[in-house]
Amino acid sequence: EAGVTQSPTHLIKTRGQQATLRCSPISGHTSVYWYQQALGLGLQFLLWYDEGEERNRGNFPPRFSGRQFPNYSSELNVNALELEDSALYLCASSTDKTPGDQPQHFGDGTRLSIL
Amino acid sequence: LAKTTQPISMDSYEGQEVNITCSHNNIATNDYITWYQQFPSQGPRFIIQGYKTKVTNEVASLFIPADRKSSTLSLPRVSLSDTAVYYCLVGVLPRYSSASKIIFGSGTRLSIRP
Repeated sequence: EAGVTQSPTHLIKTRGQQATLRCSPISGHTSVYWYQQALGLGLQFLLWYDEGEERNRGNFPPRFSGRQFPNYSSELNVNALELEDSALYLCASSTDKTPGDQPQHFGDGTRLSIL
Repeated sequence: LAKTTQPISMDSYEGQEVNITCSHNNIATNDYITWYQQFPSQGPRFIIQGYKTKVTNEVASLFIPADRKSSTLSLPRVSLSDTAVYYCLVGVLPRYSSASKIIFGSGTRLSIRP
C-alpha cells in the first residue's frame, strides 16, 4: 500500500510569490490534513479537508488556503509569501470522520524556503 | 483547548525503559491521545493511541490516569534507532467548529546512547 506522497520535496521561492504544494493521500482515505513545522519547532495545524470541503483550519492568515479534489488529493496554496513561511509542510491522511480516534498517516513533507 | 506540555529532551541508554510524559490539563471528553515518532527530514510516524487506562502494542505502552490530564508513553528496552522526537497529540476536530483543534505537543527529543 502506497503511503502519503507529497510534491515537490523542496521548493524555493522569493518574498511575495505564491507557492502550491500537493498531497496524495493513502488510497481509501478521504480526510487530508496540512501542518506547518518551522525549523526545530513542533507541528502547527493548518487545514483539514474531507470529502472535498474545508472542515476546519488553524490560526493561520487567509493567504494560506487549499482545496481537495474528487480523488481526495489536495493542494495547499500560500500567497504573498513571507520569510517566516519557510518551513516543512506536512500532509497527513486518515479515514477519520471525527479526527482524533483514528491515527493520521504522514508524508515526508515539502521543504519550502523563502529567499 | 487542550494545550500539551512535554519535556524538551531526554537521554537514556540502550536496553533501558524510557517513559515520556505529556501533560494535557484541558483535555476534552471526546479527545483521544496519540503519540508519534519523527526522524529528521521525515514525517511523523504513528506509535500508539489511547483514550483511558492502558494500551499496549508491539512497540510501546501508553498509560493514561483516570483524570486523563496526562499520559505516559513507555518504550521498553530502547535501542539507538529509537533516537527521535516524540510528539503527543490531543484533540478532536469537529466539523465547522473552532471549539477544539488538533494540538501537537512541542515534542521530546529522545537521545539513546550505547
